Amino acid sequence: QKEVEQNSGPLSVPEGAIASLNCTYSDRGSQSFFWYRQYSGKSPELIMFIYSNGDKEDGRFTAQLNKASQYVSLLIRDSQPSDSATYLCAVYSGGYNKLIFGAGTRLAVHP
Amino acid sequence: GAGVSQTPSNKVTEKGKYVELRCDPISGHTALYWYRQSLGQGPEFLIYFQGTGAADDSGLPNDRFFAVRPEGSVSTLKIQRTERGDSAVYLCASSLKSAGELFFGEGSRLTVL
Repeated sequence: QKEVEQNSGPLSVPEGAIASLNCTYSDRGSQSFFWYRQYSGKSPELIMFIYSNGDKEDGRFTAQLNKASQYVSLLIRDSQPSDSATYLCAVYSGGYNKLIFGAGTRLAVHP
Repeated sequence: GAGVSQTPSNKVTEKGKYVELRCDPISGHTALYWYRQSLGQGPEFLIYFQGTGAADDSGLPNDRFFAVRPEGSVSTLKIQRTERGDSAVYLCASSLKSAGELFFGEGSRLTVL
């Protein structure tokens, strides 16, 4: 079992719809959870982080965390073509001092 | 600019050669990470520095890989006797604290022929 699992996609949504990206992780000791966006040919950039169970909203983005289910999600409301990218889920376990990334989900928003 | 700087952006080498990749982190960032990313995959952890010391090098694939950060700022990733399987984008990231909020450089694309 991989430490951080994501559906590779592509996830295709129409412009204006809600995109839902999901991630599961294996280490119950994980403390912090991150979503990075990576445009094709570019490096990852941090868009959201969440530490506590529940929802965290930032503009059109909402991160959701359920530690009991070891599940993290990212919702993108009013999706735009500029949101088309690969979204990387990353999990930080303080005991290991490193951020572990999933393989990413490719999102395609079509006009 | 004030971002993470990596050089070279592209490196093509022959199998068996030695390669050095350089990373200049954001000023003041004490934590520095090296990752490797292959096509269609997420970044794979290689090594983490806190200051000058390697706090975690568990991701280095074998003893052909080595990294240094002698003055707690610039870091160099060194790969000896390169193999075709080493071809990937090598990403460097820095952080004010080792807590997952990483700022990545644009990467060094290594191609081993």
